[in-house]
Amino acid sequence: AQKITQTQPGMFVQEKEAVTLDCTYDTSDPSYGLFWYKQPSSGEMIFLIYQGSYDQQNATEGRYSLNFQKARKSANLVISASQLGDSAMYFCAMSPTGSARQLTFGSGTQLTVLP
Amino acid sequence: SAVISQKPSRDICQRGTSLTIQCQVDSQVTMMFWYRQQPGQSLTLIATANQGSEATYESGFVIDKFPISRPNLTFSTLTVSNMSPEDSSIYLCSIMGSGPGNTIYFGEGSWLTVV
Repeated sequence: AQKITQTQPGMFVQEKEAVTLDCTYDTSDPSYGLFWYKQPSSGEMIFLIYQGSYDQQNATEGRYSLNFQKARKSANLVISASQLGDSAMYFCAMSPTGSARQLTFGSGTQLTVLP
Repeated sequence: SAVISQKPSRDICQRGTSLTIQCQVDSQVTMMFWYRQQPGQSLTLIATANQGSEATYESGFVIDKFPISRPNLTFSTLTVSNMSPEDSSIYLCSIMGSGPGNTIYFGEGSWLTVV
């Protein structure tokens, strides 16, 4: 069984500053993928970034980077130079490699970017 | 990534009625998924819809309540039957894309409010 834990129900960050959203996970699968999604108030789910459990380097996508610490079972999302449009709910998720049906989501973190 | 369109985007439904949500993808995909997101909650997988076979439902979801069709590789429907206020949720169609780690991509979601 998999479990994703996001311990920050809400976070605030000043515009142009960096922010880290925490995610820890638990799984018995030897190979897995970690994902972050953004959900604005409109309701759509937007894929942000992916990290494979065997990837040697931390994933980066533009202003998003994933701080992956396998031994600690953490996959924190770092957003650099926050923008007002980054205000949204952020979900961490994971699945065993090759098993999209078993995608498990965390409870989410509501990020608010302050002007 | 593929473009995933859902209809309706929002609706207010009367208790006891049924509503069908449509999901159209601009490319052929093998696996499509339907998720439910109840207010303030994370996402829960309802079922996996494969073309040419019956949908596979997750624990707690049954075909009589959530019948699904998958007539071809670009289209699927989810019906929410005999609705009650507890069915008020965002329903999200998703596909397994060609992104890293078999990334799941989502449609814009369908907000249903049952009164």
